Amino acid sequence: AQKITQTQPGMFVQEKEAVTLDCTYDTSDQSYGLFWYKQPSSGEMIFLIYQGSYDEQNATEGRYSLNFQKARKSANLVISASQLGDSAMYFCSGGTSYGKLTFGQGTILTVHP
Amino acid sequence: DAGVTQSPTHLIKTRGQQVTLRCSPKSGHDTVSWYQQALGQGPQFIFQYYEEEERQRGNFPDRFSGHQFPNYSSELNVNALLLGDSALYLCASSGPVLGYTFGSGTRLTVV
Repeated sequence: AQKITQTQPGMFVQEKEAVTLDCTYDTSDQSYGLFWYKQPSSGEMIFLIYQGSYDEQNATEGRYSLNFQKARKSANLVISASQLGDSAMYFCSGGTSYGKLTFGQGTILTVHP
Repeated sequence: DAGVTQSPTHLIKTRGQQVTLRCSPKSGHDTVSWYQQALGQGPQFIFQYYEEEERQRGNFPDRFSGHQFPNYSSELNVNALLLGDSALYLCASSGPVLGYTFGSGTRLTVV
């Protein structure tokens, strides 16, 4: 993906509720992958979930699921049953094959008790 | 199984100096990519190394150079440091199976 857009600078959610983080992408490539990463204050980028452009089913990884709508070029992350430890910065990113990743601006998620 | 290791964790340099950052990839990974992340921004791709050669490069000046060693570890060198080079520098490794593992980064401050 050549351009990634995250339009939510910050999001708030109550503990145990679900939250959706938005991501749209723009690419002319036919084959690409979309990734979501979590970045706590420590700085490390933690891989959450991956969706390939040819995958017919939406990806799921535990409490994380990806709402992939190819026609709309959107790849929203859904976090179910939010936990206090989910508070962090979240980045959507995209790339082709094994090349570079392009990142969005990120969304800061705050989980309230 | 150790993940990606970066050193040092923090660094303070003076404008005009040169700096070298180091990265050891995850076991089984042979490709290393470097990213610069300014405060409050998403990471920006600097370059990628595979088989000891630069395979891909982002929109960064020649002051940014790198190297990959036979054991797949890598270095990022920045010459003639500018205040604007202050950032978190992230290393990501990848291998035969699609997926990227990031290190915790090196926080560089240029004064």
